[in-house]
Amino acid sequence: DAKTTQPTSMDCAEGRAANLPCNHSTISGNEYVYWYRQIHSQGPQYIIHGLKNNETNEMASLIITEDRKSSTLILPHATLRDTAVYYCIVRVASSGANSKLTFGKGITLSVRP
Amino acid sequence: NAGVTQTPKFRVLKTGQSMTLLCAQDMNHEYMYWYRQDPGMGLRLIHYSVGEGTTAKGEVPDGYNVSRLKKQNFLLGLESAAPSQTSVYFCASSYPPGTGNTIYFGEGSWLTVV
Repeated sequence: DAKTTQPTSMDCAEGRAANLPCNHSTISGNEYVYWYRQIHSQGPQYIIHGLKNNETNEMASLIITEDRKSSTLILPHATLRDTAVYYCIVRVASSGANSKLTFGKGITLSVRP
Repeated sequence: NAGVTQTPKFRVLKTGQSMTLLCAQDMNHEYMYWYRQDPGMGLRLIHYSVGEGTTAKGEVPDGYNVSRLKKQNFLLGLESAAPSQTSVYFCASSYPPGTGNTIYFGEGSWLTVV
């Protein structure tokens, strides 16, 4: 699986959009980009994933560059409860392959009042 | 729908004791995983299984054994616990990855070895 690079930390004001960047310059054509978050040592929570098109769900939007070498997770209106460690992960999607998630250290998002 | 359930949630062991962590999922997932997380670090894969009766080593398998006798259960065993195995353990499960399926995690099991 390709590796990812994320800043160590960032903060944003409550109610504002939080844009979390991720670099995955060695991503392969069959690898998806996944985002998870972990709030205060709870189990990781799935947020969103995508292959090459931008994706949006009730939690966030995922913007993937055309060359797929980087992506941005957008929380449109951050709240204090969004304070967490966010993990950007690439994962092979070929059927039959082992498909573990490889976690880095993630980015710590702090939402300030 | 309980999702992924881990038992026990908390346990204190003495060095050299053995124990088993149980993971159960009710989503009919083929794939199951055991991770550990140490303070300030990301999750590291211990063992995983791609189907009933099959297991494979992950990144940090030493000191652990696993079994997948039933599709819905994935057991993690510590035969002789060591203080270095003090950690938070997370179980996860998913369908095969063919269409980018999501991996779901349990809430964690806190293990302290003294």
